[in-house]
Amino acid sequence: TQLLEQSPQFLSIQEGENLTVYCNSSSVFSSLQWYRQEPGEGPVLLVTVVTGGEVKKLKRLTFQFGDARKDSSLHITAAQPGDTGLYLCAGAPGDSSYKLIFGSGTRLLVRP
Amino acid sequence: GAGVSQTPSNKVTEKGKYVELRCDPISGHTALYWYRQSLGQGPEFLIYFQGTGAADDSGLPNDRFFAVRPEGSVSTLKIQRTERGDSAVYLCASSLGTSGAEQFFGPGTRLTVL
Repeated sequence: TQLLEQSPQFLSIQEGENLTVYCNSSSVFSSLQWYRQEPGEGPVLLVTVVTGGEVKKLKRLTFQFGDARKDSSLHITAAQPGDTGLYLCAGAPGDSSYKLIFGSGTRLLVRP
Repeated sequence: GAGVSQTPSNKVTEKGKYVELRCDPISGHTALYWYRQSLGQGPEFLIYFQGTGAADDSGLPNDRFFAVRPEGSVSTLKIQRTERGDSAVYLCASSLGTSGAEQFFGPGTRLTVL
């Protein structure tokens, strides 16, 4: 069974601080996605990484896919209260890429 | 254009009752997915439709759960003899294609079984 573990589970930081959240697995994924979910809403896709070692930037967010395609990280620079939410990583298994496997998420609170 | 919509947004039922949850995908999306998200967890895959047929129902937890998509658009997730452990948010997603296609999620239906 392929599992994704996210850490930390909870993170409370002050506005302006930097943070990194991690997504780890013992399995290889063909691609890995990061989502943000707000209360009462479904997850919204932030980015998809496909190639081992790939780095993608989305404004203040930097995503990295591990060389072996088993892990990923999300780094936020100068966090803002609007970044508050649940961050989920999801892996697509190579043999059934539609069947996303989600981690349990990192709940981020950015205090003004 | 409208996103994925789900109704009802909240459903409270008693143990043993039957419930139906509806999903309206984005127009033109051929693939549709159901996921279940328990409190404090990420979504868990239940079933995937390509057109009218269930291409993969390996995530359905048992035979009390069933889903249909008779015309290749709207889908209904049906749960018989509900149990307290079925309480969760049921998310629907749709995509244009399948392999590697972005899945767009609806807001979910929060099911509470008393």
